[in-house]
Amino acid sequence: EPEVTQTPSHQVTQMGQEVILRCVPISNHLYFYWYRQILGQKVEFLVSFYNNEISEKSEIFDDQFSVERPDGSNFTLKIRSTKLEDSAMYFCASSEYRGVEGYTFGSGTRLTVV
Amino acid sequence: DQQVKQNSPSLSVQEGRISILNCDYTNSMFDYFLWYKKYPAEGPTFLISISSIKDKNEDGRFTVFLNKSAKHLSLHIVPSQPGDSAVYFCAASYTNAGKSTFGDGTTLTVKP
Repeated sequence: EPEVTQTPSHQVTQMGQEVILRCVPISNHLYFYWYRQILGQKVEFLVSFYNNEISEKSEIFDDQFSVERPDGSNFTLKIRSTKLEDSAMYFCASSEYRGVEGYTFGSGTRLTVV
Repeated sequence: DQQVKQNSPSLSVQEGRISILNCDYTNSMFDYFLWYKKYPAEGPTFLISISSIKDKNEDGRFTVFLNKSAKHLSLHIVPSQPGDSAVYFCAASYTNAGKSTFGDGTTLTVKP
């Protein structure tokens, strides 16, 4: 069964450093998403991406965040200057259609900012 | 503003019995509702969805019921199995938007 692959599975970074979280969505999917889950809290939408541009973003997704699909297969989330409160599980997801019929999520990257 | 709420943080049922997980929403613009299951150290897995034009959708052991007037949906699992033990998230979305709004999750434990 096709999978969404995320790397790394765990990343520890110093506060103020830049991190790039990587995702390989399912190959025939057209819509891509990043969500995050802070420990003990709900899964929160960050950004959706379609046709090489952001289609929607939440208020969490401020100027410190950016997304890119550099080569037609990878989908990356960059956090420019990490803060302690960015520590969370970050999930990439993709869908063939607009997502109303469910996404396929990756296993997540646990980001720990120290 | 918590637009999607799962009021029960946990539920424990006996193997073979019915599990009923509940979800309430406040935003009447939502027109698609989904349930995801999540095991530790994994991403959520899509289970079943329902459009607001329906009141029931069934897929094997899983049935989702939607009561639009009450802004309430429920997931029924019959019969429950120990492998169903996981966190279940309710989510809601608009047809014209891809993003979903998730509830807090309910941890289901199915005892053998």
